Amino acid sequence: KQEVTQIPAALSVPEGENLVLNCSFTDSAIYNLQWFRQDPGKGLTSLLLIQSSQREQTSGRLNASLDKSSGRSTLYIAASQPGDSATYLCAVKEDGNKLVFGAGTILRVKS
Amino acid sequence: NAGVTQTPKFRVLKTGQSMTLLCAQDMNHEYMYWYRQDPGMGLRLIHYSVGEGTTAKGEVPDGYNVSRLKKQNFLLGLESAAPSQTSVYFCASSYGGKGANVLTFGAGSRLTVL
Repeated sequence: KQEVTQIPAALSVPEGENLVLNCSFTDSAIYNLQWFRQDPGKGLTSLLLIQSSQREQTSGRLNASLDKSSGRSTLYIAASQPGDSATYLCAVKEDGNKLVFGAGTILRVKS
Repeated sequence: NAGVTQTPKFRVLKTGQSMTLLCAQDMNHEYMYWYRQDPGMGLRLIHYSVGEGTTAKGEVPDGYNVSRLKKQNFLLGLESAAPSQTSVYFCASSYGGKGANVLTFGAGSRLTVL
């Protein structure tokens, strides 16, 4: 059974700092990996999707990498801003078009 | 641009009561999903549908039923609510397929069972 773990569970950083969120998964037989953002009381917004054949994806200040063989992904946020404060979740897509989610990392960027 | 709409947003039930959560999407997506989110556990898949008239069990299907009579709607039913079903429920939809499959999520429905 696929298990997705996110470390750290919570992170507090000063504004402007670069930071890395980690995601690991136990079964490397995935189609893709997605990073989502969730604001309090809201749904999830997809940030980046990395296909299993890709190594990384970038969008603005966000960069996500994927090492499928080791079962790891990282989300790098450059020059963090208070508006980046949210919960970040990673999810892997398995056969049957199902996503398995991690528990998330709660990020707080202090101004 | 409504996207994925969930109703109701909040509901309080007593143990044993029944209710239905409605999910509607206007993007002509084939695939629809119901997840529950509990503190410290991420999202877990309850049931999903790969097209009108089809449903399938996810990771935690017990105590729930679903129906997909119309392509745009996916209903989640609780026949006899239990306190363990207190959670935030999210509906999502996607075009489907084994390739890129970005999900669009609704805003969530917070259910409390007393």
